Amino acid sequence: DAGITQSPRHKVTETGTPVTLRCHQTENHRYMYWYRQDPGHGLRLIHYSYGVKDTDKGEVSDGYSVSRSKTEDFLLTLESATSSQTSVYFCAIRDGGTSGGPGEQYFGPGTRLTVT
Amino acid sequence: RKEVEQDPGPFNVPEGATVAFNCTYSNSASQSFFWYRQDCRKEPKLLMSVYSSGNEDGRFTAQLNRASQYISLLIRDSKLSDSATYLCVVPPGSARQLTFGSGTQLTVLP
Repeated sequence: DAGITQSPRHKVTETGTPVTLRCHQTENHRYMYWYRQDPGHGLRLIHYSYGVKDTDKGEVSDGYSVSRSKTEDFLLTLESATSSQTSVYFCAIRDGGTSGGPGEQYFGPGTRLTVT
Repeated sequence: RKEVEQDPGPFNVPEGATVAFNCTYSNSASQSFFWYRQDCRKEPKLLMSVYSSGNEDGRFTAQLNRASQYISLLIRDSKLSDSATYLCVVPPGSARQLTFGSGTQLTVLP
């Protein structure tokens, strides 16, 4: 158990409303990631963080912003939700030390977001 | 060509069978490879890491063929509990990002 929680686990919201998803970790890992998973597309990286206040864009970052003001929390915000952002969102962490390679990520349980 | 490609399946095999999946990748500079398993409506979980020619863990064997740019996952003596989607993962060059395949669905039948 990598000590990762996501909240909320399920959310239904209306088009145009702002939505914030939270990822919380308890083990002080340096790297944190936000992915979305859709049928036929697999997991796609939205944004990632390599330290407090250090973030960068992933493959599908348009319409999303992130913040990391402390090590344990990584927030994903949809400024104005659209139906195309209906998806399952996964947070992941990676230990930046020598014990874990770049592909050894540990995922949270996911958030199912529906935008109507 | 996609960075990572997998046969989506589904693979339906009887309990006790041996099954193998392939994953092809386009970046010849990739040095490490990973297999994840994802159960229905659950998060992906790391199954195996491959840093050299291959790796074996019990009934699971991962092999790397650099010349042909593919990795394979072999499952021997399949169990019902092996039913899941298997995701191939390749770091494309940046140590900070990964490319996930779309997954291969396996169903082990009693």
